[in-house]
Amino acid sequence: DVKVTQSSRYLVKRTGEKVFLECVQDMDHENMFWYRQDPGLGLRLIYFSYDVKMKEKGDIPEGYSVSREKKERFSLILESASTNQTSMYLCASSLWFEKTSYEQYFGPGTRLTVT
Amino acid sequence: GQQVMQIPQYQHVQEGEDFTTYCNSSTTLSNIQWYKQRPGGHPVFLIQLVKSGEVKKQKRLTFQFGEAKKNSSLHITATQTTDVGTYFCAGPIVYNTDKLIFGTGTRLQVFP
Repeated sequence: DVKVTQSSRYLVKRTGEKVFLECVQDMDHENMFWYRQDPGLGLRLIYFSYDVKMKEKGDIPEGYSVSREKKERFSLILESASTNQTSMYLCASSLWFEKTSYEQYFGPGTRLTVT
Repeated sequence: GQQVMQIPQYQHVQEGEDFTTYCNSSTTLSNIQWYKQRPGGHPVFLIQLVKSGEVKKQKRLTFQFGEAKKNSSLHITATQTTDVGTYFCAGPIVYNTDKLIFGTGTRLQVFP
């Protein structure tokens, strides 16, 4: 079974703090994703990585950065947390082979509250 | 920009009734995926449709991909309480890439 794990289920941070959210997958997937999920807005893509050290911006990258130094690990960084970044953060991974997209496997999510 | 809309936003049904959610894209999709998220859980992949007009079934769930590859539907026959959750459709942001845009989801509540 594919397993995607996230470093924390719940996190409370103060405004202005630097926040690291980590995600690890164990299936050697090329693609990894960070989404945020807010009521009524569905899942919105923050960043996407298709290989080590490679990244692409998603729909809402402002205020976020990412790091992928190893294939299995994808980190989301909030440089200076703000209250409007309070949300559920979901990491996902997927296989990419011969220009075919495959299903995404999601981690359990991190509910971040910024006070 | 590209949009993927889902209707309805919420649906409450009595156990045993049927349920359908509709997904509409502003652009043609190379494929469409469906996910289910149980309350308190994370999205779990259900199925992917690739061909124009494709219909796939999983037990009581029937998935359709429109002829123009711009819309899709998920129909559940005789709902059960285990069907409770939010159903999302998702399609590639750019044709044939792996970056998905998710619909806003349809939350299904089933009353016993």
